[in-house]
Amino acid sequence: AQSVSQHNHHVILSEAASLELGCNYSYGGTVNLFWYVQYPGQHLQLLLKYFSGDPLVKGIKGFEAEFIKSKFSFNLRKPSVQWSDTAEYFCAVLLYNQGGKLIFGQGTELSVKP
Amino acid sequence: NAGVTQTPKFRVLKTGQSMTLLCAQDMNHEYMYWYRQDPGMGLRLIHYSVGEGTTAKGEVPDGYNVSRLKKQNFLLGLESAAPSQTSVYFCASSYGADPYYEQYFGPGTRLTVT
Repeated sequence: AQSVSQHNHHVILSEAASLELGCNYSYGGTVNLFWYVQYPGQHLQLLLKYFSGDPLVKGIKGFEAEFIKSKFSFNLRKPSVQWSDTAEYFCAVLLYNQGGKLIFGQGTELSVKP
Repeated sequence: NAGVTQTPKFRVLKTGQSMTLLCAQDMNHEYMYWYRQDPGMGLRLIHYSVGEGTTAKGEVPDGYNVSRLKKQNFLLGLESAAPSQTSVYFCASSYGADPYYEQYFGPGTRLTVT
């Protein structure tokens, strides 16, 4: 069955620290991967997505992610976090041939200390 | 352009009561989705629709029913609420299943069943 796993449940960083959040997926078809962010009290917003081409994807707010097919991974990175990055981050895989539904990971809560 | 809206924002039900959650989108999207978000479990798909008059089951459909009588609306019903249905419910919509199309999420409905 398709699944997405996020290894870190809660990450605490100080401002200016570098960030890497892990995401591994299990899916045998063509892979389309997404990172969403949910700021406190708000709805999900798309950070970035990968569906073909360059495996290094750049998104909004200085985030990037690298698709490594051999490792079934799509880790999210940011060189220097800010307090405003405090949020919950979700990795997801798109099942294109199943109505376009998203399978989400468990989420990683990021707390950035000022 | 309001995007995706959900009503109500909050609701408390007693076990056995029924209710309907309304999702509306004004982007002329064909596809609509209902997810539930629970701590440590990410978002899980309940039901989805690929067009007016169509519905399909997602990962966790038991205890829920849906209807898509109008293209812009997607209703989620709980016929007999149970405490296990305490959750935050998110609606999403997109033009299609293709990964080029972003899923836009609503603000969520926080439901508590006592």
